[in-house]
Amino acid sequence: DTEVTQTPKHLVMGMTNKKSLKCEQHMGHRAMYWYKQKAKKPPELMFVYSYEKLSINESVPSRFSPECPNSSLLNLHLHALQPEDSALYLCASSQDVGLGPYNEQFFGPGTRLTVL
Amino acid sequence: AQSVSQHNHHVILSEAASLELGCNYSYGGTVNLFWYVQYPGQHLQLLLKYFSGDPLVKGIKGFEAEFIKSKFSFNLRKPSVQWSDTAEYFCAFSSGGSYIPTFGRGTSLIVHP
Repeated sequence: DTEVTQTPKHLVMGMTNKKSLKCEQHMGHRAMYWYKQKAKKPPELMFVYSYEKLSINESVPSRFSPECPNSSLLNLHLHALQPEDSALYLCASSQDVGLGPYNEQFFGPGTRLTVL
Repeated sequence: AQSVSQHNHHVILSEAASLELGCNYSYGGTVNLFWYVQYPGQHLQLLLKYFSGDPLVKGIKGFEAEFIKSKFSFNLRKPSVQWSDTAEYFCAFSSGGSYIPTFGRGTSLIVHP
């Protein structure tokens, strides 16, 4: 199984709502990532989890809160978002964060988020 | 700071034309290099990757890329494009300085039938 799954595929939320994005992989990968992607732009790294511990937070606003309940799951909790947060949110995983073949990232299909 | 640049932001070709997309990185040490493709409305897919060994890398869908260390380049090539190759193409690299892949800004390829 070389698949990263994400739910939901689409999400529309108001600025006062609380919602969560979910990501799952069963490849035994120990590194998981959240990216934000605007149309026609490259993915922007938000968070990196390595061995279920947050290792990188790219100065992301606190209205985004990541969680890694176990090595297969990654959540992104959303609260009090702004319309400019509307984007495609991508989850990815890799075997590890080290340099070398461990470094290949597998991406999920993303969650298309719209904030009204 | 390490970075990756893609010089061609928009490329328009006719079917059967040859393709070369440029990618240059800035880092003096060991690197991992990747090309990803994102078809309209779809998620990122890995086209090919270089970790070590043969600098000429063959990928899926007839794509290849050549790692030229002296030029810090990893250009993507395809001898004959198809309409279905219309997509965004992203070069990415990671290095000893930061293991997390850094993405280029992307190249939008449009192939006319």
